[in-house]
Amino acid sequence: DAKTTQPNSMESNEEEPVHLPCNHSTISGTDYIHWYRQLPSQGPEYVIHGLTSNVNNRMASLAIAEDRKSSTLILHRATLRDAAVYYCILRTAGGTSYGKLTFGQGTILTVHP
Amino acid sequence: DADVTQTPRNRITKTGKRIMLECSQTKGHDRMYWYRQDPGLGLRLIYYSFDVKDINKGEISDGYSVSRQAQAKFSLSLESAIPNQTALYFCATSGSFANTGELFFGEGSRLTVL
Repeated sequence: DAKTTQPNSMESNEEEPVHLPCNHSTISGTDYIHWYRQLPSQGPEYVIHGLTSNVNNRMASLAIAEDRKSSTLILHRATLRDAAVYYCILRTAGGTSYGKLTFGQGTILTVHP
Repeated sequence: DADVTQTPRNRITKTGKRIMLECSQTKGHDRMYWYRQDPGLGLRLIYYSFDVKDINKGEISDGYSVSRQAQAKFSLSLESAIPNQTALYFCATSGSFANTGELFFGEGSRLTVL
């Protein structure tokens, strides 16, 4: 399975934008890029996903490099509630790995008041 | 009420005991998953089921078994628990991956094996 590389931790100030990077140099053409986050004492929750084009939703934006070897999750205005572990995951769209998500260690985001 | 419910939420048991963790969902999803999370690590897939008659091993299935009793229920069993199975266990569901591919997680079951 293609793997992702994320920084172990990042810090931000409240109400400032946050850019969380993810490298996935071995991504295949059928792999979707997914982001989940895990708040303290909770299960992971879906944030956003994309294939080739940049994506926006109410929670965040996803910027995907043209060669798809990296992506960036953008939180436009961080709040204290955004403090969590953020996981960048590749989802294979076909074959025997269809549908499975492989979580790495993620990035611990700390948001300062 | 939560869409994905796990029971028990916390359990302490002894080495060699049989333990069952249960998961039920009200989302009407066909696909269900069991993950395990250890401190400082991400989630690792134990078993997954794409429908009632389909059960598949994940990355770390040794020492675990599952049962898909119905579309809405997926249970994880430890036939003879050992201390290194102490972890936080998550159940998840998903619908068709033709859509968002979004997984919905339960709140977790914390298991301690003494």
